Amino acid sequence: KAGVTQTPRYLIKTRGQQVTLSCSPISGHRSVSWYQQTPGQGLQFLFEYFSETQRNKGNFPGRFSGRQFSNSRSEMNVSTLELGDSALYLCASSPSGQASYEQYFGPGTRLTVT
Amino acid sequence: GENVEQHPSTLSVQEGDSAVIKCTYSDSASNYFPWYKQELGKGPQLIIDIRSNVGEKKDQRIAVTLNKTAKHFSLHITETQPEDSAVYFCAASKPGTASKLTFGTGTRLQVTL
Repeated sequence: KAGVTQTPRYLIKTRGQQVTLSCSPISGHRSVSWYQQTPGQGLQFLFEYFSETQRNKGNFPGRFSGRQFSNSRSEMNVSTLELGDSALYLCASSPSGQASYEQYFGPGTRLTVT
Repeated sequence: GENVEQHPSTLSVQEGDSAVIKCTYSDSASNYFPWYKQELGKGPQLIIDIRSNVGEKKDQRIAVTLNKTAKHFSLHITETQPEDSAVYFCAASKPGTASKLTFGTGTRLQVTL
């Protein structure tokens, strides 16, 4: 089974721009979560989507948003980029439902904001 | 909210020795505790997990123990090999928000020959 895929793998943007990152979960997985990884803050939960609905949300500003499509693929968007948004953005997928705890991560998208 | 502390931040062991990484969590409602291994340039890889109704779980050279009373859990790697060198993260989540993992700060494990 193919793993979680994320595109693009690397991205360079300028302050004030917006960016969209994409994630394709493992086939059959319906839950997709997003995390931000930085050297200073570590791994932090952004949000989770299940059946096209945001089910859980972390403590990030409204500039960070996401969505999920009917095929479970997910996108996250960051508007009005700031230098501090430079990070590795990780997507994780999980089989389904509240009883499925295991999350499997993709390789991430490295975002650099200049 | 939940807080997960992880120690040590770096660990160097000789090949064949054992390595132990410890984590403590703050929220007694947490019931799921996975461990991830992250190699350079890759995403975290789930290596083992444990739920609060189990005290210990083993998978070949890797084991995890959980002490609910003390709110701490540990990763044990026996017979370490150079390919075990990576950053290891512990995490915790609660019922109803199982996908919302709170991670520890990571342990950089180096296995030397």
